[in-house]
Amino acid sequence: GIQVEQSPPDLILQEGANSTLRCNFSDSVNNLQWFHQNPWGQLINLFYIPSGTKQNGRLSATTVATERYSLLYISSSQTTDSGVYFCAVEEGAGNMLTFGGGTRLMVKP
Amino acid sequence: ETGVTQSPTHLIKTRGQQVTLRCSSQSGHNTVSWYQQALGQGPQFIFQYYREEENGRGNFPPRFSGLQFPNYSSELNVNALELDDSALYLCASSRGVETQYFGPGTRLLVL
Repeated sequence: GIQVEQSPPDLILQEGANSTLRCNFSDSVNNLQWFHQNPWGQLINLFYIPSGTKQNGRLSATTVATERYSLLYISSSQTTDSGVYFCAVEEGAGNMLTFGGGTRLMVKP
Repeated sequence: ETGVTQSPTHLIKTRGQQVTLRCSSQSGHNTVSWYQQALGQGPQFIFQYYREEENGRGNFPPRFSGLQFPNYSSELNVNALELDDSALYLCASSRGVETQYFGPGTRLLVL
């Protein structure tokens, strides 16, 4: 099956700093999503981004499908950005998701 | 519009027991997917139901089974619980193959 790798696995930032999270995938995909998992376990949809660039406030994402990677940018980080960020891909028929291992982000005040 | 809900929020069972987890899909959604998330890992796909039929299955043994009801709510059943079944179980609903939206999860501990 498809492999999804995220880097870095852990990231510690000072409040106000910017960061880039990366997601590499091993085969062609129909779609890619970015999620934020809060400390209580809730997965929150950030972006549905099979290709191109999208922005939502301080967050933006870019997927380059031909090169099989996606980037999530967090600008002016806040303590509430802490948690685990996952990318997940859909391949083949249906919309079953294959997740990466996540990037654990801690933003310090 | 109500979001995806799951019950119970937490559950403790002993090895060998059986457990049933429940999920109510978001209004207007006809597809439910279940995922298992072990501590420190990303969620893994268990299976998906579309209009009451299993529509895909991940690499999980047959003791993991499910149901979807006419109102599109769903159950995940796990028989003969093992210690490694301890995890966060996440349910997601969608309208067909559109974006999936996740519930808050059920934390299962098997002793």
